Amino acid sequence: VQLVQSGAEVKKPGESLRISCQASGYDFSKYWLGWVRQMPDTGLEWLMMIYPGDSETRYSPSFQGQVTVSADKSSTTAYLQWGSLKASDTAMYYCVRSRRDSFDIWGQGTMVTVSS
Amino acid sequence: DIQMTQSPASLSASVGDRVTITCRASQDTLNFLNWYQQKPGKAPQLLIYDASKLETGVPSRFSGSGSGTDFTLTISSLQPEDVATYFCQHYHYYPHTVTFGPGTKVDLK
Repeated sequence: VQLVQSGAEVKKPGESLRISCQASGYDFSKYWLGWVRQMPDTGLEWLMMIYPGDSETRYSPSFQGQVTVSADKSSTTAYLQWGSLKASDTAMYYCVRSRRDSFDIWGQGTMVTVSS
Repeated sequence: DIQMTQSPASLSASVGDRVTITCRASQDTLNFLNWYQQKPGKAPQLLIYDASKLETGVPSRFSGSGSGTDFTLTISSLQPEDVATYFCQHYHYYPHTVTFGPGTKVDLK
């Protein structure tokens, strides 16, 4: 069972971005998959999660409208997308598998750097 | 919104010491309380779920206790590989929200 994320990204403010998380070793459709942000030298923040089986989503109020989550069952891949990046989006982003109320599998993280 | 606090923010201990970290929630968590370990430069890993259940593969020197709003993570005998930051986390149902504690950094004296 693993989650493998796409590589580090360096972007300019205002640019768009999509990062990915490919799941393997379990039934992708049957577990919620979420995203967690960790800004440099700070703690963990939950952004949202998606149920790939029917694409139901749950967003943190802090991130609703800021980013978009999606999932493709055919490739067992989830995506996190920004339409217009800001410098404050600079962070490490982890995808996580949700097992009831805990996150039992974590991806290796994708570092997103937004700088002019 | 539920708030999570942890104490201490950091601690230094010797190999073999018993280490205790506390997590407090601003309202009843119904014991949906989990603990994670994050080693430097690595992704977090689940240690304890539902307040006191040891995740598969986690050494038995780790244990969790508590209920309602007050929880404890204990390392019975600190090992060098336990140098890490430890986070508690609560999942609140209806509305669905997830909150992490601010973390406790553990290093060797």
